Amino acid sequence: GENVEQHPSTLSVQEGDSAVIKCTYSDSASNYFPWYKQELGKGPQLIIDIRSNVGEKKDQRIAVTLNKTAKHFSLHITETQPEDSAVYFCAASYSMNYGGSQGNLIFGKGTKLSVKP
Amino acid sequence: KAGVTQTPRYLIKTRGQQVTLSCSPISGHRSVSWYQQTPGQGLQFLFEYFSETQRNKGNFPGRFSGRQFSNSRSEMNVSTLELGDSALYLCASSLRTSGGSEQFFGPGTRLTVL
Repeated sequence: GENVEQHPSTLSVQEGDSAVIKCTYSDSASNYFPWYKQELGKGPQLIIDIRSNVGEKKDQRIAVTLNKTAKHFSLHITETQPEDSAVYFCAASYSMNYGGSQGNLIFGKGTKLSVKP
Repeated sequence: KAGVTQTPRYLIKTRGQQVTLSCSPISGHRSVSWYQQTPGQGLQFLFEYFSETQRNKGNFPGRFSGRQFSNSRSEMNVSTLELGDSALYLCASSLRTSGGSEQFFGPGTRLTVL
């Protein structure tokens, strides 16, 4: 089955710096790669996702890149702010067409990001 | 639009008891998935329901079960609780359009087994 490795487990940056979190996956059939942010006491919040037919996607200060050949994808946060401090999870799944299984998310172990003011 | 709601938010049970957790998906979403989150194992998939049918199941013992109602609300049940069942149980809902899999999580139910 699918396995997702996430690095680093902890990341500390100065406010304004960039942060990069990397994930690798094992199942070449995986075609959907979301990133979640989880703050203390809350459920994971979807912040960005990418599908296997796209190499890069941006949304303001966050971007995700996907390298299908190498089976890895990365989250990039620019101009980090203290409110970016949280645990970030990458995930992978295989999504079938409507009516079939949407594919359960396989999560990485998470990266605790700390942004120091 | 209201998000995913889960009740109760916190629960304390003793070993051997059973528990039922509830999840109301985002309006219009027909798919509900359940995940268990623990510090040691991280986020692990339990099962997925769509149109009242279980579509996918993770690697958990039969003590973990679930169901979905016609209004897409879902419940999960854990029988004969063990200490290791202490975890944050998360529900995620999805619109489930063709090829779409965006899953939106609720705040979770924190279950403590004593």
